[in-house]
Amino acid sequence: QVQLLQSGAEVKKPGASVKVSCKVSGNTLTEFSIHWVRQAPGEWLEWMGGFAPEDGDIVYAQRFQGRVNMTEDTSADTAYMELSSLRSEDTAIYYCATERFDGGAFDIWGQGTMVTVSS
Amino acid sequence: DIQMTQSPSTLSASVGDRVTITCRASQSIKSWLAWYQQKPGKAPKLLIYKASSLESGVPSRFSGSGSGTEFTLTISSLQPDDFATYYCQQYESFYPLTFGGGTKVEIK
Repeated sequence: QVQLLQSGAEVKKPGASVKVSCKVSGNTLTEFSIHWVRQAPGEWLEWMGGFAPEDGDIVYAQRFQGRVNMTEDTSADTAYMELSSLRSEDTAIYYCATERFDGGAFDIWGQGTMVTVSS
Repeated sequence: DIQMTQSPSTLSASVGDRVTITCRASQSIKSWLAWYQQKPGKAPKLLIYKASSLESGVPSRFSGSGSGTEFTLTISSLQPDDFATYYCQQYESFYPLTFGGGTKVEIK
């Protein structure tokens, strides 16, 4: 059974960066397209970016362009999302998720990583 | 960006009720729509993909319909485990993928 295991909660100061990891267990990372979705407290879900097979590359939501970097270490079956220049509005739960084989819907989710940005 | 609008934002219902949630897209997304259920403190769970296809393991009381710009999620007979927040998501366009604002189903 495939699971996504995320790193633990983080507390960061404004202006800092955070790097969240997402390890695939039960299969290999190369079998999946990994995406990142965040959810501010009491708010809706917001897609940040992920691997787009039709582009053959990772694509980012425009509002995060220049501040986010998503990478993968296939030898460790682990994906990473790094967000820089943090501000209080980035306080949220960050989820990784896999895209269904037929595209677009997210069928497996990590447990979420709480990132708190506070001075 | 394709905007996804859900209604209602909150819904009060009783066990056994038939419940319908609507999701409207700002432009046609054909059938590229998913529905998720989220409970407090938990990750979302995929219920429906491609507008009407039931994800494996999801009870058959959940169903989805629609195409183009208007979609519905129906729970035929609400169960205690179904009290949660539901989100729609379009994946016609990756630039960006977008979710609706959510519908919270509460106990009446």
